[in-house]
Amino acid sequence: GNSVTQMEGPVTLSEEAFLTINCTYTATGYPSLFWYVQYPGEGLQLLLKATKADDKGSNKGFEATYRKETTSFHLEKGSVQVSDSAVYFCALKSGATNKLIFGTGTLLAVQP
Amino acid sequence: GAGVSQTPSNKVTEKGKYVELRCDPISGHTALYWYRQSLGQGPEFLIYFQGTGAADDSGLPNDRFFAVRPEGSVSTLKIQRTERGDSAVYLCASSPTPTGANTEAFFGQGTRLTVV
Repeated sequence: GNSVTQMEGPVTLSEEAFLTINCTYTATGYPSLFWYVQYPGEGLQLLLKATKADDKGSNKGFEATYRKETTSFHLEKGSVQVSDSAVYFCALKSGATNKLIFGTGTLLAVQP
Repeated sequence: GAGVSQTPSNKVTEKGKYVELRCDPISGHTALYWYRQSLGQGPEFLIYFQGTGAADDSGLPNDRFFAVRPEGSVSTLKIQRTERGDSAVYLCASSPTPTGANTEAFFGQGTRLTVV
């Protein structure tokens, strides 16, 4: 069945450090891939998405590239800020169903 | 309202009791989803409505869980004979039509259910 695996946290970085959160997936067909973010006390928000191989999603300085050959969708940011502290979820949605399948989430803590 | 609204935000109930959780989707969104998020885990799919009908209920864990959406807008998730293992955050999301693999789902802030 379809599944998402993402790196365990917490990830603790200093401000302006480079961020990578790894995400790999298993899916039949050609899924769409998403990163959602959950800030403290808030609901899940879509951060970025990619719908086909080699697409790059980007938003708020975050990027992720859909790599079909490695079944990966790693999240990166060149310079994190304290305000980026949140839980990040990688997810997929396959064309066969409208449900999202999430990874377990990665807590990012950015220290000043 | 502008977003997906869920009520109550917190619910504490005794084991064996019945609970109802409500979701008001974004106006005009025909697709509605329920997910359950246990501590330290990602959200897990429960059920998906397209309009008034449940198009996919494969994620409901057992027959104690039931959801309705009688008029195609507000939805209620109903849990009978609650168990301590039902404690989790229940999330609702909605999407505009037409839905598809790349359509964004908008999430509410969730209802935190605690069964004591």
